[in-house]
Amino acid sequence: EVQLVESGGGLEQPGRSLRLSCTASGFTFGDYCMSWFRQAPGKGLEWVGLIRGKGYSVTTEYAASVKGRFTISRDDSKDIAYLQMNSLNTEDTAIYYCSRGRAAIISYYFDYWGQGTLVTVSS
Amino acid sequence: DIQMTQSPSTLSASVGDRVTITCRASQSISSWLAWYQQKPGKAPNLLIYQASSLESGVPSRFSGSGSGTEFTLTISSLQPDDFATYYCQQYNSFPCSFGQGTKLEIK
Repeated sequence: EVQLVESGGGLEQPGRSLRLSCTASGFTFGDYCMSWFRQAPGKGLEWVGLIRGKGYSVTTEYAASVKGRFTISRDDSKDIAYLQMNSLNTEDTAIYYCSRGRAAIISYYFDYWGQGTLVTVSS
Repeated sequence: DIQMTQSPSTLSASVGDRVTITCRASQSISSWLAWYQQKPGKAPNLLIYQASSLESGVPSRFSGSGSGTEFTLTISSLQPDDFATYYCQQYNSFPCSFGQGTKLEIK
């Protein structure tokens, strides 16, 4: 059974950093793209970024809103994907989800999702 | 960037109704469209991919159609478990983008 479990969320001050983890099980982690999404309170879904699997040179893509501040990485030996969030601001307050990507020609759709972890940025 | 627009934003319907949600892309995305269902406090759940392919385990009352810039999600006979928010997502190009969501409410 595929499972994704996010961790690392919490309350952080503006300007500080936070690292989220997504621990995967039930599939060959290294073969898959892993993506991060967020959902601000009462709002819709926003794609944050993704990291491709080893078959695609482990490259990354980011949304413009986080590019240069957030970094996605992965440790295939541990089946974990990470979201390093720097220079946090109040607009980063959201539930953060990780998801497994299923490849299309250029991009991905997302078939399994974690339960989410809440990040609150406030002074 | 490709903008996705769903309509309506809110839909009131009754158990047994047939409902249709529309998703429009700001430019052609061929058939690279997915639909998700999200219930309060839960993660999204994939329903449809490549515009009309039903994800394994999803009830057959859900169906998708369309190509290019206009797409629909249809629920043939609403069940109590279907009242939720639905999102479309394009994966024709980066950045991935979602519609704003359609909340399906009980009439």
